[in-house]
Amino acid sequence: EDQVTQSPEALRLQEGESSSLNCSYTVSGLRGLFWYRQDPGKGPEFLFTLYSAGEEKEKERLKATLTKKESFLHITAPKPEDSATYLCAVGRYKLIFGTGTRLQVFP
Amino acid sequence: NAGVTQTPKFQVLKTGQSMTLQCAQDMNHEYMSWYRQDPGMGLRLIHYSVGAGITDQGEVPNGYNVSRSTTEDFPLRLLSAAPSQTSVYFCASSETGVGDQPQHFGDGTRLSIL
Repeated sequence: EDQVTQSPEALRLQEGESSSLNCSYTVSGLRGLFWYRQDPGKGPEFLFTLYSAGEEKEKERLKATLTKKESFLHITAPKPEDSATYLCAVGRYKLIFGTGTRLQVFP
Repeated sequence: NAGVTQTPKFQVLKTGQSMTLQCAQDMNHEYMSWYRQDPGMGLRLIHYSVGAGITDQGEVPNGYNVSRSTTEDFPLRLLSAAPSQTSVYFCASSETGVGDQPQHFGDGTRLSIL
């Protein structure tokens, strides 16, 4: 069965304390892996697409990486404005979402 | 561009009532979809459409109807609302097929069924 699991469920970081979020998946015929950011009361906002193992993408303090079984979202020197829920989704003929990681960054 | 626009933002219904959630996109995207988001469940696909006149069921279609008469609009109809349909509903669109294309989401409709 196609499945996406994100960990941890919640993460509290001090400003400047780098960390990583994990997304593991069991999907045959993966066409793309997507990372989204979701703020309270808003829809998911697209961050990255990764297509093949070894691929990396960066945007400001965020860097996404992909292996054959999992993806990591690395957050370097986070700021309070990075606080949000981060969602991972894998694409085959439809998108399958994980339940997200709630990130809180406090000053 | 407004992107994906959903109305209303909030709605309270009584059990058995019907209503339509509106979704419009101005990006000329062929693919549109509806999700519901519940605590601890992640986003689940209700219905999707690969183009005007073509719709199909997703993971949790029961109790919902859709139609796609234009490229821009993809309304979701609740036929007879039930408390189990209390959720946040998101509409999304992408250029073509979903597997390798990022979807763009609206800001959701928060629906409560009493």
